[in-house]
Amino acid sequence: AQKVTQAQTEISVVEKEDVTLDCVYETRDTTYYLFWYKQPPSGELVFLIRRNSFDEQNEISGRYSWNFQKSTSSFNFTITASQVVDSAVYFCALSEALFIGSGYALNFGKGTSLLVTP
Amino acid sequence: EAQVTQNPRYLITVTGKKLTVTCSQNMNHEYMSWYRQDPGLGLRQIYYSMNVEVTDKGDVPEGYKVSRKEKRNFPLILESPSPNQTSLYFCASSRQQGNTEAFFGQGTRLTVV
Repeated sequence: AQKVTQAQTEISVVEKEDVTLDCVYETRDTTYYLFWYKQPPSGELVFLIRRNSFDEQNEISGRYSWNFQKSTSSFNFTITASQVVDSAVYFCALSEALFIGSGYALNFGKGTSLLVTP
Repeated sequence: EAQVTQNPRYLITVTGKKLTVTCSQNMNHEYMSWYRQDPGLGLRQIYYSMNVEVTDKGDVPEGYKVSRKEKRNFPLILESPSPNQTSLYFCASSRQQGNTEAFFGQGTRLTVV
């Protein structure tokens, strides 16, 4: 079963619009970690944010903000006043313990491709 | 500069010809892993390693081997590549086991004909 669902496959917006990328996760662990990564057209994966399951505070970093809601198992990402340089594929990921005493497995969603046009 | 280095960046090979993709990190990270990225499927973990000489299968290990003889290196080996292993491969390392950010290499685009 898919542990991380990014229902939006592709989103297209015009520059300066706000856009929200949805991420819904599934886990039975009480301790887990959520991440967002950006993959620009050049192909590399760029870390954006990490959240642990005990910290539900929303976070803002410049034009980026993240809304973590355990009640709905969601970790959504909003870009305010989008720019062409924001065009990329964005991945949400969940890290949970494989089993007691094991390492963590990082499960990625399938990604949302964001296109920002001038 | 902290980085994960993969080589080669691009590779075209023929079915059955053994190949190795190297991965090296300079951050003294214990945890390393390999992923493949395919259209519509996102990134899927192939193998991971929690430390030297400790490796384990991820979600899609069939057709791959890894080794972790040194902390900094984690090569991915395809003993007999097949066309369904055509993909974009990423190596990643992190300080701890998945609860810290993962640093990714630049990716290796492999085509098996």
